Amino acid sequence: GAVVSQHPSWVICKSGTSVKIECRSLDFQATTMFWYRQFPKQSLMLMATSNEGSKATYEQGVEKDKFLINHASLTLSTLTVTSAHPEDSSFYICSARGRGASYEQYFGPGTRLTVT
Amino acid sequence: GENVEQHPSTLSVQEGDSAVIKCTYSDSASNYFPWYKQELGKRPQLIIDIRSNVGEKKDQRIAVTLNKTAKHFSLHITETQPEDSAVYFCAASRAAGNKLTFGGGTRVLVKP
Repeated sequence: GAVVSQHPSWVICKSGTSVKIECRSLDFQATTMFWYRQFPKQSLMLMATSNEGSKATYEQGVEKDKFLINHASLTLSTLTVTSAHPEDSSFYICSARGRGASYEQYFGPGTRLTVT
Repeated sequence: GENVEQHPSTLSVQEGDSAVIKCTYSDSASNYFPWYKQELGKRPQLIIDIRSNVGEKKDQRIAVTLNKTAKHFSLHITETQPEDSAVYFCAASRAAGNKLTFGGGTRVLVKP
């Protein structure tokens, strides 16, 4: 149980275009989803927290107009990187937690974004 | 906000030896401390976690200790095997399912 998927697993896009990444909880209802960015050989940096049906909470330094997050349902959250630039190239990972007092977050497999 | 520091950044051990990774945190309200193993290009996988009401937890070759007074926690891997080679991250959070703050990671290499 507790499976989280991401789509696509990798994507290459041209500078100036937008790209959408989906994060789905396959066998549980995710009341909260988190989006992380991980540069090569670095740690995971939290970008934002999204709760179903409400606006995402962005971490300091993360541009909300550039990284659009939508948590439209209890099983789906999307991250849209708008007007992508080469410096946005990174590994984007989502995680999800369900209802109740569980501490554990379940991570998706990640999406490798390359902006050319 | 929370700040988590992790040491060492790299660790090379001989197969069969023990490996120890240490983390310190700054937020005294943090009460959940998971450890993740991440292989190249893959998702982080939870290997063990500990909550603030417990001082030590063990699962086969892996153990975690927590010192709330000193605000540090450690991961201990005994009888290391080549498949233990990976990057390990510690993390801390305040409450159930709350956002995680990660340490910088430790690259562990187990030499056969």
